[in-house]
Amino acid sequence: AQSVTQPDIHITVSEGASLELRCNYSYGATPYLFWYVQSPGQGLQLLLKYFSGDTLVQGIKGFEAEFKRSQSSFNLRKPSVHWSDAAEYFCAVGARGSQGNLIFGKGTKLSVKP
Amino acid sequence: GAVVSQHPSWVICKSGTSVKIECRSLDFQATTMFWYRQFPKQSLMLMATSNEGSKATYEQGVEKDKFLINHASLTLSTLTVTSAHPEDSSFYICSARNPNRYEQYFGPGTRLTVT
Repeated sequence: AQSVTQPDIHITVSEGASLELRCNYSYGATPYLFWYVQSPGQGLQLLLKYFSGDTLVQGIKGFEAEFKRSQSSFNLRKPSVHWSDAAEYFCAVGARGSQGNLIFGKGTKLSVKP
Repeated sequence: GAVVSQHPSWVICKSGTSVKIECRSLDFQATTMFWYRQFPKQSLMLMATSNEGSKATYEQGVEKDKFLINHASLTLSTLTVTSAHPEDSSFYICSARNPNRYEQYFGPGTRLTVT
């Protein structure tokens, strides 16, 4: 069965520091991979996605993610975190050829210290 | 990105009553829409997949007679929580899939509180 693991429940970084949020997935083949961000009481905004091709994907707000097939990982990175990046981040996978339903990880809450 | 709206954004109802939540795709026709439930500080759990003009497909463990989904048009899906109980209190989020692309666009969510 498909599953998504985000090992870090809560991460705190200083403003200006670099960030890496981890995501590992379990799936029989290469799935579609997504990172979403959710601010408190809000819906989800797509940061970036990987379908195929270049394994380093650029997204909005300066985020990037790298797909590593050998590690079944899709970690999210940002070189310099801003206070406005504080939010909940969700990794999700979708099955190729499906209707598009996604399986989400449990999320990582990012706090930013001034 | 595409815009998906939900109405209401927040609703309080009494136990035993029914509540309808609307999800609208504002700038594309969505043949497929999804309904998720999110408990506080937890992830999104897919409740059902809604296809325009056909019955919704419910995930295991989701009571289809309690959570009625209607996808009456290409831009509107509704979720009705029937005979609501306090344990149904949650954050309900819908999403719409652009038929030409795989990705989903999420609504802002509806906070349901059942007293």
